[in-house]
Amino acid sequence: EVQLVESGGGLVQVGGSLRLSCAASGFTFRSYSFNWVRQAPGKGLEWISYISGTSSPIYYADSVKGRFTISRDNDKNSLYLQMNSLRDEDTAVYYCARQWLALDYWGQGILVTVSS
Amino acid sequence: QSVLTQPPSVSGAPGQRVTISCAGSSSNIGAGYDVHWYQQLPGTAPKLLIYANTIRPSGVPARFSGSKSGPSASLAITGLQAEDEAAYYCQSYDSSLSGNVVFGGGTKLTVL
Repeated sequence: EVQLVESGGGLVQVGGSLRLSCAASGFTFRSYSFNWVRQAPGKGLEWISYISGTSSPIYYADSVKGRFTISRDNDKNSLYLQMNSLRDEDTAVYYCARQWLALDYWGQGILVTVSS
Repeated sequence: QSVLTQPPSVSGAPGQRVTISCAGSSSNIGAGYDVHWYQQLPGTAPKLLIYANTIRPSGVPARFSGSKSGPSASLAITGLQAEDEAAYYCQSYDSSLSGNVVFGGGTKLTVL
């Protein structure tokens, strides 16, 4: 069974940092690309970052470019999102999502709250 | 403002048929990129409902169907049921954007 489990969320002050993790199981992790998608309270889905199976290429949405870094460890079956210089508008539920044609499996989501 | 345009809300009575539109442009759906649809039940993560325009993943009821024509796509739900009440998102790719992945703004389906 495919499972994606996010962790590392929580409350952080404006300007602070947080590192999200996504632990994968039930499939060959290195064979898939992944995305981070977020959802602000009461809002729609916003794609923020993509990483291929080999970690190249990597893409970011303009809203997070230069502040967030996506990475993966294929030996640990894990995906990461390092978030720096956090802003109020980064408050959201963050999802990791496996990509195969579509985003076929999603984690349960983890809440990040940025407070001033 | 989302790259793909969906109606904010639709509604229908149990047993009825509803459709949700997803309008794109020549740099995304109109360029030939596939459209995928996700269902998000309240308080849960999105779930893949339709991929590659028309294909239902295993376990998705045949009441759900997708179509694509030119720069637009649609999701149809027939025999509406109370448990279909959810938000629905279309997703495609856009050649003008780094990373490509774009979502519609989402449509809230209310079952009357």
